[in-house]
Amino acid sequence: AQKITQTQPGMFVQEKEAVTLDCTYDTSDPSYGLFWYKQPSSGEMIFLIYQGSYDQQNATEGRYSLNFQKARKSANLVISASQLGDSAMYFCAMRGNDYKLSFGAGTTVTVRA
Amino acid sequence: SAVISQKPSRDICQRGTSLTIQCQVDSQVTMMFWYRQQPGQSLTLIATANQGSEATYESGFVIDKFPISRPNLTFSTLTVSNMSPEDSSIYLCSATGLLSGANVLTFGAGSRLTVL
Repeated sequence: AQKITQTQPGMFVQEKEAVTLDCTYDTSDPSYGLFWYKQPSSGEMIFLIYQGSYDQQNATEGRYSLNFQKARKSANLVISASQLGDSAMYFCAMRGNDYKLSFGAGTTVTVRA
Repeated sequence: SAVISQKPSRDICQRGTSLTIQCQVDSQVTMMFWYRQQPGQSLTLIATANQGSEATYESGFVIDKFPISRPNLTFSTLTVSNMSPEDSSIYLCSATGLLSGANVLTFGAGSRLTVL
């Protein structure tokens, strides 16, 4: 069984600063994928970034980077240069061999001007 | 990546009634899933929609309550049957597709159901 843990229910960050969202996972699958999604108040789920379990490099997508530490089973999301539009709920998710996604509880990010 | 259209986007329903949510993908996809997001909660997988055969349900979800169809590779429906206020949730259709070189699950905008 897969398990995703996000321990930060809410985070506040000042505009233009960086914020790190924590995510740890547990799985017995040798191959898996890790994802981060953003959910603004409108409710849509927006894909941000992906990290494969065999990828040697940490994934980056614009202002988003994923700090992947396989031995520690962590996949933290770093948002750099925060903007007001980054205020949203952020979900960490994991996919195993069956292509199903399991989601963490989510972290609410509020960016302050 | 696949673009997913979902309707209705929201609805207010009476207790005891049923509602069917439609999901249309703009390209043929292999995997389609239905998720539920209860208020203030994370996403929970309801079932995998299998093309031309019965859906595969997760623990806690049954076909009588959430019948699912997938007649072809681009279309699926989810029915929420005999609704109660506890069914008030956002229901999200999702499909796998290539994005940024990875096989990513993309989502429709969701159907926000309120049951009175």
